[in-house]
Amino acid sequence: AQSVTQPDIHITVSEGASLELRCNYSYGATPYLFWYVQSPGQGLQLLLKYFSGDTLVQGIKGFEAEFKRSQSSFNLRKPSVHWSDAAEYFCAVGAQDSWGKLQFGAGTQVVVTP
Amino acid sequence: EPEVTQTPSHQVTQMGQEVILRCVPISNHLYFYWYRQILGQKVEFLVSFYNNEISEKSEIFDDQFSVERPDGSNFTLKIRSTKLEDSAMYFCARGGMRYEQYFGPGTRLTVT
Repeated sequence: AQSVTQPDIHITVSEGASLELRCNYSYGATPYLFWYVQSPGQGLQLLLKYFSGDTLVQGIKGFEAEFKRSQSSFNLRKPSVHWSDAAEYFCAVGAQDSWGKLQFGAGTQVVVTP
Repeated sequence: EPEVTQTPSHQVTQMGQEVILRCVPISNHLYFYWYRQILGQKVEFLVSFYNNEISEKSEIFDDQFSVERPDGSNFTLKIRSTKLEDSAMYFCARGGMRYEQYFGPGTRLTVT
């Protein structure tokens, strides 16, 4: 069965510093991978997605993620965080070649300090 | 890409009552999904809906839940007899061009 693990429940980062959020997945084949962001009281916004090809994918708001098959990871990064990046971030995995369900990780809460 | 809208934004209901949550796509789409997020927990898949039929459902989606697209536009989730544990944020999503999903703002359901 597919699963997603986000090891960090909570991360505090200074404004302007770099950010990396970890995501590990378990899946029998190459999955489709996604990062979503949820601001307080808001819905889930798609940041970026990986289906195939280049393992480094660019997303919105200056985020990028790298797919590493050998490590079953899809970590999210941003070189310099802004106060508006404070939110909860969810990694999700979907089945290849399918419009099936997404399996979400537990989320990582990001706090940005001045 | 445009997403979906959901109504109401917040619904308060008494235990045992029926509720209907609505999802309105901005344009025509074929794939729709319902997820829920209990406060402080992860987002959980409930059901997927394709071409006016359920294509997949989770263990959570038991007989008290149903989905339909009655007028070919609105996509609804009905909970027949709500329980306290149904209190959650319910998200509708629609499928994108390449298997990604775009989520609506959610409906907060509070069962008292």
